[in-house]
Amino acid sequence: GEEVAQTPKHLVRGEGQKAKLYCAPIKGHSYVFWYQQVLKNEFKFLISFQNENVFDETGMPKERFSAKCLPNSPCSLEIQATKLEDSAVYFCASSQSPLRGRTEAFFGQGTRLTVV
Amino acid sequence: QQPVQSPQAVILREGEDAVINCSSSKALYSVHWYRQKHGEAPVFLMILLKGGEQKGHEKISASFNEKKQQSSLYLTASQLSYSGTYFCGTESPNAGGTSYGKLTFGQGTILTVHP
Repeated sequence: GEEVAQTPKHLVRGEGQKAKLYCAPIKGHSYVFWYQQVLKNEFKFLISFQNENVFDETGMPKERFSAKCLPNSPCSLEIQATKLEDSAVYFCASSQSPLRGRTEAFFGQGTRLTVV
Repeated sequence: QQPVQSPQAVILREGEDAVINCSSSKALYSVHWYRQKHGEAPVFLMILLKGGEQKGHEKISASFNEKKQQSSLYLTASQLSYSGTYFCGTESPNAGGTSYGKLTFGQGTILTVHP
């Protein structure tokens, strides 16, 4: 598609429940990024993929967070046993291969996760 | 480390100009600028690559001083539609001197344009 598609737009989970978020990157884009935006507007990098391979997972809280990008499927971000502090907007972004140094990323509309 | 943006907030009347600065303590490969309206996705404005590039998009332009590790976003003759939070996102070069798009964002500058 021509835009990054994220589902669902809103997700409410009780503490301890699982949450799963989905992202379909722009067709032809090789890189996918997940960012977490908390109430103070700060963006935190979580993980990136090059096609279906994890490229950089230095931002992932590995105990409860996991992510996948499988061929012919939307990418997913899963949080096991959600905590109140996981409440945030989760953005997915995609970018082309960095030809000529151009690495601009285009963002999806985000999934607002509320943990109650 | 997170780049530092200044000012934190700007209030303008339509037609006035504004400058938003972004400063990093790390060597930079590129600087990206985004605008985000409340409850919406960040919208890509422009990318500046190392080399002292200056780019423009209508009445919005930006500069990048690689040596100082700073970038500035210039908004001229502001319009109501310019209201939102502006973020700079910085990329640092990898061992090969390139990058692939992973951004570290500043804390944002809230721009409000009044009629």
